[in-house]
Amino acid sequence: AQTVTQSQPEMSVQEAETVTLSCTYDTSESDYYLFWYKQPPSRQMILVIRQEAYKQQNATENRFSVNFQKAAKSFSLKISDSQLGDAAMYFCARGGADGLTFGKGTHLIIQP
Amino acid sequence: ETGVTQTPRHLVMGMTNKKSLKCEQHLGHNAMYWYKQSAKKPLELMFVYNFKEQTENNSVPSRFSPECPNSSHLFLHLHTLQPEDSALYLCASSQVATTSNSPLHFGNGTRLTVT
Repeated sequence: AQTVTQSQPEMSVQEAETVTLSCTYDTSESDYYLFWYKQPPSRQMILVIRQEAYKQQNATENRFSVNFQKAAKSFSLKISDSQLGDAAMYFCARGGADGLTFGKGTHLIIQP
Repeated sequence: ETGVTQTPRHLVMGMTNKKSLKCEQHLGHNAMYWYKQSAKKPLELMFVYNFKEQTENNSVPSRFSPECPNSSHLFLHLHTLQPEDSALYLCASSQVATTSNSPLHFGNGTRLTVT
């Protein structure tokens, strides 16, 4: 089975600081997409950012950016200027011909 | 209002009960999904419907029965469940199910407890 691994079950960061969540994945496909989803206590999964594997440029979305290393199959999420509203579970996901495969998630705690 | 609406938000049922989960999407999407989310496990894909046709059944036990009457509505019928079926059940939709770049839009989920 092709997997997505998030090695950090929980991360904590001070408000206004920067935090990086790690994700590695397994795939035999050359063309695929990678996603980061956020799940706050409201339970709704919200798309944070998306990366196309054939693009070398790292995706950015306001305070959220990724470090995509295709050869290493690594896709980390950087959150700059962390805010209290960023507290949530963050899930990395890989989209391929077999659909979307998710990691187990990282619980992000924001300390005021 | 979220583009994907799930009801009920919480459900407690006995092992002999029959209940149904409902999902409705207002995004004009053609694909709908059921996921199971259990603690400390990755989201598990259960069923996929693309243009009302079931395209994937991920080895889900027959006590879970999906129904997709149209592209906007998806149901999950439950009967004779087991306590280990207690989980958060998430519905999602996307433009189409066949391309890897189609992001999913999720509902708020139904928290199911089987007693």
